[in-house]
Amino acid sequence: GAGVSQTPSNKVTEKGKYVELRCDPISGHTALYWYRQSLGQGPEFLIYFQGTGAADDSGLPNDRFFAVRPEGSVSTLKIQRTERGDSAVYLCASREGGGSITQYFGPGTRLTVL
Amino acid sequence: GEDVEQSLFLSVREGDSSVINCTYTDSSSTYLYWYKQEPGAGLQLLTYIFSNMDMKQDQRLTVLLNKKDKHLSLRIADTQTGDSAIYFCAESMDQAGTALIFGKGTTLSVSS
Repeated sequence: GAGVSQTPSNKVTEKGKYVELRCDPISGHTALYWYRQSLGQGPEFLIYFQGTGAADDSGLPNDRFFAVRPEGSVSTLKIQRTERGDSAVYLCASREGGGSITQYFGPGTRLTVL
Repeated sequence: GEDVEQSLFLSVREGDSSVINCTYTDSSSTYLYWYKQEPGAGLQLLTYIFSNMDMKQDQRLTVLLNKKDKHLSLRIADTQTGDSAIYFCAESMDQAGTALIFGKGTTLSVSS
């Protein structure tokens, strides 16, 4: 089957605009994660979904960031009033659930805020 | 707080062994991971080790864990040019692999 997919692969927006980033996890994976990777850094955790609910959103930097997973599959990361500091690669990962520990990462969405 | 430290660069010649080191601060870490990131590609899990283990070997990869010193290393035997990438050390606090905490990554450059 297919791996984790993310769309778009690249997004350029202007400061102050709203953006949505989409993640399609591996089919059947119950856990889904969002991370953000800035240039020269490792990925930083943003939010973790188990099913439809956010089990841990402690990594969201502020209330401009919000994520949903309404049907327990596809997830959308939403960023309001974008700032230049939001520019980064946004990574999504999914995990099968149960006793599985492996997180499978998508290729990421590169967000550039001008 | 939680912190994972790695050296930033490593340069080796093809056929040599590479050793990438990592230190972490949280002694409650349950799993420790090594991920590989190639240009334009997603993160690929190479291997992981459970905190009650000292060593894990998987083909050309050997992971050593010194829990007392909170030190993790990844040895790649017979390094190939295709091993050139950024290698990330990561830790997680529970069995479910929730919220991985990554280091900044070590760029491995392999010359022929």
